[in-house]
Amino acid sequence: DVKVTQSSRYLVKRTGEKVFLECVQDMDHENMFWYRQDPGLGLRLIYFSYDVKMKEKGDIPEGYSVSREKKERFSLILESASTNQTSMYLCASGLPYEQYFGPGTRLTVT
Amino acid sequence: DAKTTQPTSMDCAEGRAANLPCNHSTISGNEYVYWYRQIHSQGPQYIIHGLKNNETNEMASLIITEDRKSSTLILPHATLRDTAVYYCIVRRGYNNNDMRFGAGTRLTVKP
Repeated sequence: DVKVTQSSRYLVKRTGEKVFLECVQDMDHENMFWYRQDPGLGLRLIYFSYDVKMKEKGDIPEGYSVSREKKERFSLILESASTNQTSMYLCASGLPYEQYFGPGTRLTVT
Repeated sequence: DAKTTQPTSMDCAEGRAANLPCNHSTISGNEYVYWYRQIHSQGPQYIIHGLKNNETNEMASLIITEDRKSSTLILPHATLRDTAVYYCIVRRGYNNNDMRFGAGTRLTVKP
């Protein structure tokens, strides 16, 4: 079974803190993705990566950056967390026709 | 990518077939139809995808109309564990990996 794991299920951070969300996949996928999910807005793509050290902006990259130093690991970074970044964050990895999602990290910024 | 329209919510009796419709009237020739679902507190799960022909796998069947402007996901014998939000997604080409999830249909399977 494909496994996509995320470092935390729940996280509480203060405004202005630097936040790292980690995602690891065990299927040697080249493609990895970060989404956020908010009520009424569905899933929105933040960043994705086609290969190590390669990244592409999604629909809402502002306030976020990413790092892909190893194929299996894709990190989402909030340089200075703000309250409007309180959300559910979902990582995915995938083949061209199928994405596998992790369980999500519910981040609260106070 | 083409927009999709789905009903906000649907109910289905346990053991009966669940038929979830999706309209994608602006779909273009190289766009595929994908279905995912998201059970509460979990990440989305891939179900099935297709281009023109009807498709079936162990989870569901996908029926695409001849003009490709709409499709229906069929869960043949719905169980309580099929209660979830179902997303119909249309995206370009086979190698384009950026999925765009809309609001989906909340399916409730009732005993």
